[in-house]
Amino acid sequence: GAVVSQHPSWVICKSGTSVKIECRSLDFQATTMFWYRQFPKQSLMLMATSNEGSKATYEQGVEKDKFLINHASLTLSTLTVTSAHPEDSSFYICSAREGPGRGRAYEQYFGPGTRLTVT
Amino acid sequence: RKEVEQDPGPFNVPEGATVAFNCTYSNSASQSFFWYRQDCRKEPKLLMSVYSSGNEDGRFTAQLNRASQYISLLIRDSKLSDSATYLCVVNQGPGSNSGYALNFGKGTSLLVTP
Repeated sequence: GAVVSQHPSWVICKSGTSVKIECRSLDFQATTMFWYRQFPKQSLMLMATSNEGSKATYEQGVEKDKFLINHASLTLSTLTVTSAHPEDSSFYICSAREGPGRGRAYEQYFGPGTRLTVT
Repeated sequence: RKEVEQDPGPFNVPEGATVAFNCTYSNSASQSFFWYRQDCRKEPKLLMSVYSSGNEDGRFTAQLNRASQYISLLIRDSKLSDSATYLCVVNQGPGSNSGYALNFGKGTSLLVTP
């Protein structure tokens, strides 16, 4: 149980285009989903937190107009990188959490990540 | 000061060795603690949660010292397959806008050699 998928697993796009990444919880309902970014040899950095049906909460320094997050259902969240630039090239990972009141409230399950390269 | 600090390593140890990783965290309100394992170019995978009383899972033992804000992971009888980066992970605690999001250390790299 507790499987999270991401799609696509890797993508190459041209500078100025937009890229959408999907994150799905396959066998549980994710009250909260998190989006992280990891640059080479760096730790995962939280970008934003999204709760189903409400606006995402962005971490300081993350542009909400550039990284659009939608969490329309309990099993799907999307991250759209708008007008991507080479400096946006990174490993984007989502995670999902069942939510308070459940046995695994504090555990997060990670998707396999999406490697984005912007040329 | 970073919220979660780890010795980056790398730790190069022979098979069968015992190796220990340490981690400190800065947010005293943190409530949950974990060790994750991350293989190269892969997502992190939960290795074990860390409890105040200390806990063991096979060859892995985790300990938490809340007073010192210190977490450790001990791996006994290292296997080649243990080679990976070990991430110390602490939740942000109550009052955070991010709903208990996790803070990751940079990770400690372990290489187990034959």
